[in-house]
Amino acid sequence: SQQGEEDPQALSIQEGENATMNCSYKTSINNLQWYRQNSGRGLVHLILIRSNEREKHSGRLRVTLDTSKKSSSLLITASRAADTASYFCATAISGNTPLVFGKGTRLSVIA
Amino acid sequence: DTAVSQTPKYLVTQMGNDKSIKCEQNLGHDTMYWYKQDSKKFLKIMFSYNNKELIINETVPNRFSPKSPDKAHLNLHINSLELGDSAVYFCASSQEYRAGGIGELFFGEGSRLTVL
Repeated sequence: SQQGEEDPQALSIQEGENATMNCSYKTSINNLQWYRQNSGRGLVHLILIRSNEREKHSGRLRVTLDTSKKSSSLLITASRAADTASYFCATAISGNTPLVFGKGTRLSVIA
Repeated sequence: DTAVSQTPKYLVTQMGNDKSIKCEQNLGHDTMYWYKQDSKKFLKIMFSYNNKELIINETVPNRFSPKSPDKAHLNLHINSLELGDSAVYFCASSQEYRAGGIGELFFGEGSRLTVL
C-alpha cells in the first residue's frame, strides 16, 4: 500500500527561485529518502534522513523531517532549469521491508 | 560502467505472449528489486530478493516471476501478457539491510513494456 504522499503534485517556478515539496506518510519509519527522476530515466537518490534526524543538507538541497507530524519537506534553493524533474519521497519502515514511494511532485523550472 | 543495467529498454509485444526483462548490477549489493511505474508515475514494489530470501508482493499476479541466477542478476519473467501490464519496469539494488532500514537504492534506466 502507498505510504508517502507528495504535495503539490506539480510545481512550476522561475529559475533562481526556491522550490519546496512536501511528503506525508502514515506509519513509523526508520528513514525517509528523496529521489529525482528525469523524464525517461531511472530514479536517482538525493538524500536520506534518519528518523532521529530533523534536518539535513546536501548542496542546494535541504530536507527536514518531523516525525510527530509524519511529514518531510525537500527544499531546492536557487533552482536551475536542470532541476526540472519528478521528485519522490520514499520511506523505509522496518527490517528489510522495501522502500515505499509516493506519487511524486513534478517540478518545472522555467529559464 | 553502468551500476544497474537492464535490458531491453523498450519492449513491444502482443497480448498473451511471454517476455523477460534482464537486470544486472555490478555494485556487489546483496539485495535487488523490481518496481513497476504506471502511466501516472506511481512506483510500486513488485519483488525484492537477496541471497537469503525472496519477498513477494502479494498484489503481484503469479504470471510475474523473478529469477535470480546469482546475486548480481535478477530477471523478471512475465507470462500471458495483458494490456494492463503495460508500464515501465525498474530494477534496483541496495546493500543488505542494516539497522536503520533499507538504505539508498540504485536504479536502472527502466524497461518500457507496451502490450498491444
